[in-house]
Amino acid sequence: AQTVTQSQPEMSVQEAETVTLSCTYDTSENNYYLFWYKQPPSRQMILVIRQEAYKQQNATENRFSVNFQKAAKSFSLKISDSQLGDTAMYFCAFMKHAGANNLFFGTGTRLTVIP
Amino acid sequence: EPEVTQTPSHQVTQMGQEVILRCVPISNHLYFYWYRQILGQKVEFLVSFYNNEISEKSEIFDDQFSVERPDGSNFTLKIRSTKLEDSAMYFCASSDPGTGDYEQYFGPGTRLTVT
Repeated sequence: AQTVTQSQPEMSVQEAETVTLSCTYDTSENNYYLFWYKQPPSRQMILVIRQEAYKQQNATENRFSVNFQKAAKSFSLKISDSQLGDTAMYFCAFMKHAGANNLFFGTGTRLTVIP
Repeated sequence: EPEVTQTPSHQVTQMGQEVILRCVPISNHLYFYWYRQILGQKVEFLVSFYNNEISEKSEIFDDQFSVERPDGSNFTLKIRSTKLEDSAMYFCASSDPGTGDYEQYFGPGTRLTVT
């Protein structure tokens, strides 16, 4: 079974600063996908960034980047130049490569950007 | 940009009543999913659906739940006899991994309140 662990229930960061959210996972799969989803107060789930396990290069999307350490089964999210609109719940999620591809989510980190 | 839609946005029902939550996935997607999120908790997988049948389901998805694709556009989740603990946000998602894009696109969710 796959498990995803987010050890930081809450975090805060000053506007324009950088923050890193942690995620670890456990799996026996070799090929898989990892995702970070953002859930603002509207509760819509918005994909922030994704990483394929077979790619060594860390994914980057504008101010968002990941540090993917496959051997350590770690997948952290770095948000640079934090903005007030980044305030949200952030969920790390795992997907097996094969099969129906359902997502396994972590418990989330509530991020607050302080003006 | 195509998006997943869900209706209603909020449903209030009495314990023991049947509810049907509706979703319109992205039109060319072939895989459909239901997830739920109890308030303050993580998002949990319920069921995936492909080629007019269930691909995978979680332990949560017991005999009280059923899914259906009644026509070419809608994808529904039925709860036969609701319980208080069914109160949650229910998210529909769709994907088309055959194109190489494994992202699941989420709808805005339906908030179900069972009284």
